[in-house]
Amino acid sequence: GAVVSQHPSRVICKSGTSVKIECRSLDFQATTMFWYRQFPKQSLMLMATSNEGSKATYEQGVEKDKFLINHASLTLSTLTVTSAHPEDSSFYICSARNPGTGRDEQYFGPGTRLTVT
Amino acid sequence: QKEVEQNSGPLSVPEGAIASLNCTYSDRGSQSFFWYRQYSGKSPELIMSIYSNGDKEDGRFTAQLNKASQYVSLLIRDSQPSDSATYLCAVTKNALNFGKGTSLLVTP
Repeated sequence: GAVVSQHPSRVICKSGTSVKIECRSLDFQATTMFWYRQFPKQSLMLMATSNEGSKATYEQGVEKDKFLINHASLTLSTLTVTSAHPEDSSFYICSARNPGTGRDEQYFGPGTRLTVT
Repeated sequence: QKEVEQNSGPLSVPEGAIASLNCTYSDRGSQSFFWYRQYSGKSPELIMSIYSNGDKEDGRFTAQLNKASQYVSLLIRDSQPSDSATYLCAVTKNALNFGKGTSLLVTP
């Protein structure tokens, strides 16, 4: 299998605070993880690619100083939303590629619903 | 031109019928193609992957790939109300490139 977990599943924070979201691959080692954001009734938007042991690659328009990504081990990537604002409220989903399969399949975590008040 | 295109739907089919979902992509260098199912409020779930031209069957699902036409489709046989969801077509470039999804509604 290829199980990816995320924590927390839901978080409410006040404007100006920071929130950390964890993404873990439970039964495989993921050298690459991806972070997506999805607003209601819209498609997934790739925010960044997280590489173990190196800096994340951010998509155009995503502020790297606001969305801090740390891929500290082969099973854990974290996304920290700094100085959160109400417009950051969204569904954040990570995914991981299992290199052991030799294919490009990506498996998604269950997502984290962030509400900034 | 968007890289992965899908009709947003909704596509409505009666229970027991075949649902046909279509996707086109623009990058001829794409090599891996996926269909994900996303229920409302949930994250996407991988249901089919296909890498070479032709058909690939898995249970009630059949994925079809035509690289010459840059076309991927998903057929769902014997559609069930529980199949009602948004179906996302995804194509690899460096990361997955998603279409906006097709909303499928299977009516009892």
